[in-house]
Amino acid sequence: GAVVSQHPSRVICKSGTSVKIECRSLDFQATTMFWYRQFPKQSLMLMATSNEGSKATYEQGVEKDKFLINHASLTLSTLTVTSAHPEDSSFYICSARMASGGINIQYFGAGTRLSVL
Amino acid sequence: KNQVEQSPQSLIILEGKNCTLQCNYTVSPFSNLRWYKQDTGRGPVSLTIMTFSENTKSNGRYTATLDADTKQSSLHITASQLSDSASYICVVSAMNYGGATNKLIFGTGTLLAVQP
Repeated sequence: GAVVSQHPSRVICKSGTSVKIECRSLDFQATTMFWYRQFPKQSLMLMATSNEGSKATYEQGVEKDKFLINHASLTLSTLTVTSAHPEDSSFYICSARMASGGINIQYFGAGTRLSVL
Repeated sequence: KNQVEQSPQSLIILEGKNCTLQCNYTVSPFSNLRWYKQDTGRGPVSLTIMTFSENTKSNGRYTATLDADTKQSSLHITASQLSDSASYICVVSAMNYGGATNKLIFGTGTLLAVQP
């Protein structure tokens, strides 16, 4: 299947700093990528939809100034957690969408574990 | 309200045994249903994807079924292995009216532990 690379896999930062997470589709072009957040023992929660060349679409309750998304190319989307606080500690997962046989299939990255001290 | 419910919440089985995980959904309009395997601390990996017209699909030791009338799906794992220990997530895709975007609705997952 298609490969989505997410980096870094784990990051520990001090409160107040900003953290950037990269999501790359390695062998296909993705006009749409998605960013999810997952708390322990809970399902993935969609944060925002990242569209190449345009502004991201945020889900209700997600602060766009807090979670900056940039989708500068067809293979790269970045999520920047600005002025991170301990409550932002979570598992962040990106996915990239590829059309196949009339069905849109999302391939997920391996996730980024963010710990804010 | 679009929802996906899975059962059981967690399951422990012995290596070599079979098991079946359940998924009920109330998603409309329905586009397709997917089963993902998520290892601890990793992203989900797709196992199967089924559209409205498909009622079964296999991927190795994994077999998924879909009953679009009752809005139920199951994932059957045959001859379980220790490496099958993971969370299994049922995801239903809803078609947005007038658009090509399919929104994914995630179940909360079934945590499977396979013991030697």
